[in-house]
This record gives sequence, C-alpha cells and structure tokens, in this order.
Amino acid sequence: EAGVAQSPRYKIIEKRQSVAFWCNPISGHATLYWYQQILGQGPKLLIQFQNNGVVDDSQLPKDRFSAERLKGVDSTLKIQPAKLEDSAVYLCASSLAAQRKGYEQYFGPGTRLTVT
Amino acid sequence: GQSLEQPSEVTAVEGAIVQINCTYQTSGFYGLSWYQQHDGGAPTFLSYNALDGLEETGRFSSFLSRSDSYGYLLLQELQMKDSASYFCAVRDMFSGGYNKLIFGAGTRLAVHP
Repeated sequence: EAGVAQSPRYKIIEKRQSVAFWCNPISGHATLYWYQQILGQGPKLLIQFQNNGVVDDSQLPKDRFSAERLKGVDSTLKIQPAKLEDSAVYLCASSLAAQRKGYEQYFGPGTRLTVT
Repeated sequence: GQSLEQPSEVTAVEGAIVQINCTYQTSGFYGLSWYQQHDGGAPTFLSYNALDGLEETGRFSSFLSRSDSYGYLLLQELQMKDSASYFCAVRDMFSGGYNKLIFGAGTRLAVHP
C-alpha cells in the first residue's frame, strides 16, 4: 500500500513570507496529524483531524498557523507569516481510527522548512 | 503536565544488546509506543505496550511497568543499520484526541563495528 505523501520536501522562505504544505494520508486512515520536529527534538503535535473535524489543536499557534482537511482526505498546513523559529521539519502522519490500532501512526517523509 | 525522559545518547557495538529507558509523567496514560527515526527519515513504528510486561518483535522487545511509569526498548544482536534515533511516546487519553502521542526528545543510538 502507498505510504503517506507530503510535498514539497524542502522549502526555503524569508521571514514574514507565507508557506503551505500538503499531505495525502494512507487510504482509509480516518485520523491525520501534523507534527513539528525541531532539530534534536521529538515530534510535537500541532493538530489532529478525525475525518473532517479537528480533534486537538491545542499546540497550534493559531495567530500564524492554519490547517484544513477537506473531504476527510488530503490536508494542508499553512504558516503566515513565518518566523525564524518556524524552521523545522513538518511531519504528516495518519492512523486508523482509535478502536483499530490507532496507536500505530504512519509518518510521511516530512517537509524541511528553513526560514531566513 | 506531561513529560518524558530518555537518555540523549547511547553507544554500543555490533552484536551487542542495548536497553533504552523511558520514564514518563502524564495525567491520562493509555500506552507507551516506540518509534525509530534514521537521519533525514520519517519516524517508523516499532512497538506499543498498553499493559505491563514484555512485548517481543523479532530483535526488538519493549517493556512497560505502569506502576513505575517506566518502560524500555531492548535491541538485541545490534546491526549497523540500527544506528538511529529512538523515541518513546506516551499515548495520552485526556488531551483531546484519543490517539494523541507525546514524544520524548529521543535517544541517539550509535552502533560501532
């Protein structure tokens, strides 16, 4: 089966510019996650979707970050305007619903964002 | 609050056994997962413990003691390809999403010939 797809793989922008990341989860996975991983740290959950709806966005900096998951499949994460501290790898992951091995998350290759 | 502690670095030789420990503090513990991440790669799922005891998957085993808020990942017959970062992650049931994972900072394992 195809894995989680993300694009772009790399992005370099200047501070105050905007950027968008795209994710296509594994077919049939109801839950989609966006993580931020700063170099040398573990992934930090930004937002979690269950189908179309947001389940958890408690750590999403909502003044600059936004995300949507249209039709319960693909998702986009946007940053506007970007700050230097947003430089990180942005990982998308998906999983089956909670009652079906939802603890096993499948990660995409990530987008490495550099803000200059 | 929630926190996880694991060693930042571990070094071992090929063929040896290494144990990576993880202690955690969380308000709504549901289980402990382990993920492997090679440099520049995506985290990949290794194991999950919801109950006390040992889970074995090939060369990898994972242990959980809920009463001690402690778990470990055991890697046997180490190979060079096992050089990677290993993350423990708590499955938290009270922080909104049922499957929310809170990751530790990771343990970087270096395997030498």
